[in-house]
Amino acid sequence: QQQVKQSPQSLIVQKGGISIINCAYENTAFDYFPWYQQFPGKGPALLIAIRPDVSEKKEGRFTISFNKSAKQFSLHIMDSQPGDSATYFCAASKGGNTPLVFGKGTRLSVIA
Amino acid sequence: GAVVSQHPSRVICKSGTSVKIECRSLDFQATTMFWYRQFPKQSLMLMATSNEGSKATYEQGVEKDKFLINHASLTLSTLTVTSAHPEDSSFYICSAIETRNYGYTFGSGTRLTVV
Repeated sequence: QQQVKQSPQSLIVQKGGISIINCAYENTAFDYFPWYQQFPGKGPALLIAIRPDVSEKKEGRFTISFNKSAKQFSLHIMDSQPGDSATYFCAASKGGNTPLVFGKGTRLSVIA
Repeated sequence: GAVVSQHPSRVICKSGTSVKIECRSLDFQATTMFWYRQFPKQSLMLMATSNEGSKATYEQGVEKDKFLINHASLTLSTLTVTSAHPEDSSFYICSAIETRNYGYTFGSGTRLTVV
C-alpha cells in the first residue's frame, strides 16, 4: 500500500516556467511534509517542508501548498531553470522518531 | 547545518563477501538513524530504523541476518551487507533526525556493486 502518492512521474517545463508536482496521502497521523531534490548518484537534499497548521510556505522560488481537508500537498517551482532538472520526492512522517515515507518521485526536465 | 557523512561513496565487492557502510552525524547526536535502499529510477525504500544502543527494527521483507545494522554510539550507525549477491547491488542511503530543528538529514549515499 503506497502511503504517499506522487504525480506526475515525469515533467518537462520550459525555462522560466512553473513546475508543479502533486502528492496525496491517506494517513492523517502524518504531521510533517518535506520535499526533497535528488541528483543522480547523490543523496536527497531537503528543499522545503511544511506542517499541517500552515496552508502555504514559500522559500525563494519554491512554494509548498498544503490542503489538509483534501490530504494533498504540492510543490511549485517558479521561474524554473535548467539547473532544477532533477528528481523530486515528496515525503511524510508521523513525527517523533518515525521514518519518512516517500512518494515515487518526479523526474523534472527544464529545457531552454 | 546538520551534516551526515556516509562512507564509502561507492564500493565494488565480489559475490559472497561482506561490505560495511558507515553513517556518521558530524555535528549533532542522532539517537535514531534510518537506512534506505534505492534501485535505479525508483524511490527510497526504508530498510530499517536504527536506534542507539538497541536492536534495529527492520521493515517487512528485509532480511535482518543479511543486512546487519549496528548503532553503537550517538553519532555512528553501520550497515553490513553480508554474503553479498549481485541482486544486493543498489544505492544505500542513511538518514538521521536532527532533533533540535526536527529535520531529516541524509547522507550522500553508497553505490554498492556486487560482481
